[in-house]
Amino acid sequence: AQSVTQPDIHITVSEGASLELRCNYSYGATPYLFWYVQSPGQGLQLLLKYFSGDTLVQGIKGFEAEFKRSQSSFNLRKPSVHWSDAAEYFCAVGPYLGGGADGLTFGKGTHLIIQP
Amino acid sequence: DVKVTQSSRYLVKRTGEKVFLECVQDMDHENMFWYRQDPGLGLRLIYFSYDVKMKEKGDIPEGYSVSREKKERFSLILESASTNQTSMYLCASMIYSGFAEAFFGQGTRLTVV
Repeated sequence: AQSVTQPDIHITVSEGASLELRCNYSYGATPYLFWYVQSPGQGLQLLLKYFSGDTLVQGIKGFEAEFKRSQSSFNLRKPSVHWSDAAEYFCAVGPYLGGGADGLTFGKGTHLIIQP
Repeated sequence: DVKVTQSSRYLVKRTGEKVFLECVQDMDHENMFWYRQDPGLGLRLIYFSYDVKMKEKGDIPEGYSVSREKKERFSLILESASTNQTSMYLCASMIYSGFAEAFFGQGTRLTVV
């Protein structure tokens, strides 16, 4: 069965500092990987996604993520965080091409706090 | 622009009530999902549907049912609401075109008292 682990429940970063959020997955086939962000009281917004090709993917709001198959990881990074980045971040893995319509499997989320 | 709309942002219901949460998507997607979100537990799949009148159980279907009479609408039903169903409920619509991408509604925060 597929699973996603986000080891950090909370992360606190100073405004302007760099950020890395960790994500490890377990999946039996070629993974399709996603990062979503959720602002307080809102739904989930897609930040970026990886399906194939270049292992470094760029997303919205200045975020990027790197897929490392050997480490089963898909870590999210941002070189300089802004106070507006404070939110909940979810990593997710999806079904492979031709797989069932059983949606995405999400990690438990990482709560990002930005210090002034 | 892609849109998934959940009918209510906030709901307060009494224990034992039958509760309907509505979700509408305008993208003509076959696949729709209901997730429940709780602190420390992330998103957990309740039910999903891959076609009109079709439904499949997710990881935590107990106490819930769903209805998909039209392609664009997917309803989550709490047959007899209980306090442990107090949660944030998220609806998603998904496209499969060689990959899967999910689009989410704004969520419904349900409180059962």
